[in-house]
Amino acid sequence: AQSVTQLDSQVPVFEEAPVELRCNYSSSVSVYLFWYVQYPNQGLQLLLKYLSGSTLVKGINGFEAEFNKSQTSFHLRKPSVHISDTAEYFCAVTGQGAQKLVFGQGTRLTINP
Amino acid sequence: EAGVAQSPRYKIIEKRQSVAFWCNPISGHATLYWYQQILGQGPKLLIQFQNNGVVDDSQLPKDRFSAERLKGVDSTLKIQPAKLEDSAVYLCASSLNRLNNEQFFGPGTRLTVL
Repeated sequence: AQSVTQLDSQVPVFEEAPVELRCNYSSSVSVYLFWYVQYPNQGLQLLLKYLSGSTLVKGINGFEAEFNKSQTSFHLRKPSVHISDTAEYFCAVTGQGAQKLVFGQGTRLTINP
Repeated sequence: EAGVAQSPRYKIIEKRQSVAFWCNPISGHATLYWYQQILGQGPKLLIQFQNNGVVDDSQLPKDRFSAERLKGVDSTLKIQPAKLEDSAVYLCASSLNRLNNEQFFGPGTRLTVL
């Protein structure tokens, strides 16, 4: 079985500052990893995913994440955030072979002007 | 391409009443998922369909929750009778098939049980 821990429930940052949202996972099998964003009163939108290959994954809206197998982490980063990035961010994991998607608790990113 | 549609967007009911949610997945997507998202938590899978068959319903409280996907397209999720702890957002998602791990989510239905 897989599990996900998002280490920060809330992250406040100033506009144009860099941000890192941390995600650790556990799994006994090879994994696929995802970051989703949820804006207020909306469903989840895929930001980026790691399936295989390069450990540095680039997504939409200037976000990127790095898969670190030895540290079982998949942290999300953005070099300069905007007010519009204010949202809830979810890390999720699934095992190879059609296993279900398991989500973390979410990190609320708040951008201050 | 149209996204995943859900209705209603909001629903308020009294405990012990029944309620139903509807989902229309992206055209051509064989796999459909229902998630429950309690405030402050990540989504939790309730049930997964492949076409009109159930793949995984291990976390569905079957004494009060039921779901169907007749004809392998639209799906309905029902709660009968509702409890206070069922207050949550119910998200529907779809993917091309079970082996395609990219799931597309609808806007959700926010249920409040009083």
